[in-house]
Amino acid sequence: ILNVEQSPQSLHVQEGDSTNFTCSFPSSNFYALHWYRWETAKSPEALFVMTLNGDEKKKGRISATLNTKEGYSYLYIKGSQPEDSATYLCASSYGGATNKLIFGTGTLLAVQP
Amino acid sequence: SQTIHQWPATLVQPVGSPLSLECTVEGTSNPNLYWYRQAAGRGLQLLFYSIGIDQISSEVPQNLSASRPQDRQFILSSKKLLLSDSGFYLCAWSAQGTGGYTFGSGTRLTVV
Repeated sequence: ILNVEQSPQSLHVQEGDSTNFTCSFPSSNFYALHWYRWETAKSPEALFVMTLNGDEKKKGRISATLNTKEGYSYLYIKGSQPEDSATYLCASSYGGATNKLIFGTGTLLAVQP
Repeated sequence: SQTIHQWPATLVQPVGSPLSLECTVEGTSNPNLYWYRQAAGRGLQLLFYSIGIDQISSEVPQNLSASRPQDRQFILSSKKLLLSDSGFYLCAWSAQGTGGYTFGSGTRLTVV
């Protein structure tokens, strides 16, 4: 059974703080790592898809890195804003036509104004 | 552009009643289709996936079934709901082989 783990489970920060979360995944036969942002009452929204060891992706104040050899990814948010409050999900895939994603349980971020 | 529609948004059903949740995709052909469930306090669990019409794979043994009668239609069903079927159900599609998912808006199912 493939397990993807995320930490912390939840995080409360003040507006303007920078923060980061961790996603760890089985590195054997790894194909891609995905990050999603899931706001309450909305659908999960894709942030990044990364495949290569050492990959770094950035979207505004949010960035992510990938280490496929040791099986982890970090998501960073610089200068958190209240609108960043959401659950951040990571998921790994192991290739093939099915493109199945194994999701972690998510990190719930709450940014206080 | 591609869109995904999922309905209904919320559903309250008695134990033992049947279930049908529907998901349709527009603007793409031959998508991979997925049903996920988030039970209370847990992560997203893959229930079923499909890489083509009438090609369904189940990830976990359960009280549910899925069908794909048309290329862009994915249906989740149950003949008799259990309390443990309560949860948030998400349909998603992706291009075959690689790429991120696009999710539907979800269905909150409460079995009473």
